[in-house]
Amino acid sequence: EPEVTQTPSHQVTQMGQEVILRCVPISNHLYFYWYRQILGQKVEFLVSFYNNEISEKSEIFDDQFSVERPDGSNFTLKIRSTKLEDSAMYFCASSGGGGSWETQYFGPGTRLLVL
Amino acid sequence: SQQGEEDPQALSIQEGENATMNCSYKTSINNLQWYRQNSGRGLVHLILIRSNEREKHSGRLRVTLDTSKKSSSLLITASRAADTASYFCATGGGETSGSRLTFGEGTQLTVNP
Repeated sequence: EPEVTQTPSHQVTQMGQEVILRCVPISNHLYFYWYRQILGQKVEFLVSFYNNEISEKSEIFDDQFSVERPDGSNFTLKIRSTKLEDSAMYFCASSGGGGSWETQYFGPGTRLLVL
Repeated sequence: SQQGEEDPQALSIQEGENATMNCSYKTSINNLQWYRQNSGRGLVHLILIRSNEREKHSGRLRVTLDTSKKSSSLLITASRAADTASYFCATGGGETSGSRLTFGEGTQLTVNP
């Protein structure tokens, strides 16, 4: 069964460093998302992406964040200058390709720790 | 209270019992989805119910939706130890695909063998 994959599974970085989190959405999906979950808190929406542009973003998704679909399969989230409060689990999701168009399928997550 | 609040926050039952989790939301929705998350792991999609549906079944799962009360419930019948996880409801508000999901706080379910 197709699934969303994410790399790396864990990343440790120093405050101020740039990180790139990578995702491979389900191949026939058209909509891509990033969410995050700070430890012990609920999952929060960051951004959605469709047709090679951002379709919606939350107030969390400020100028430090950017997303890109550099080729036909990868979807990346870049954090330019990480802060301690960026430590969280980051989930990629995709939807919109046959079956139930609204169902969002999530990857296993990347656990980011900023020191 | 915020969109997508579950209760109870924690539920502990014995294997074989049924588990019921509730979710309330505040704004109008297009659909409501339930997810499971094992400790520290990813989100697994369980079931989606649309705003024009009242009840849906999938295996041992039964979901109800009451749009007049802005609430949903997830029933897991004949629970197993492997059902131990956090369960989240998430509301989708958009008319089309691509809309954000708004998650609740989650219910931590423990099924004791």
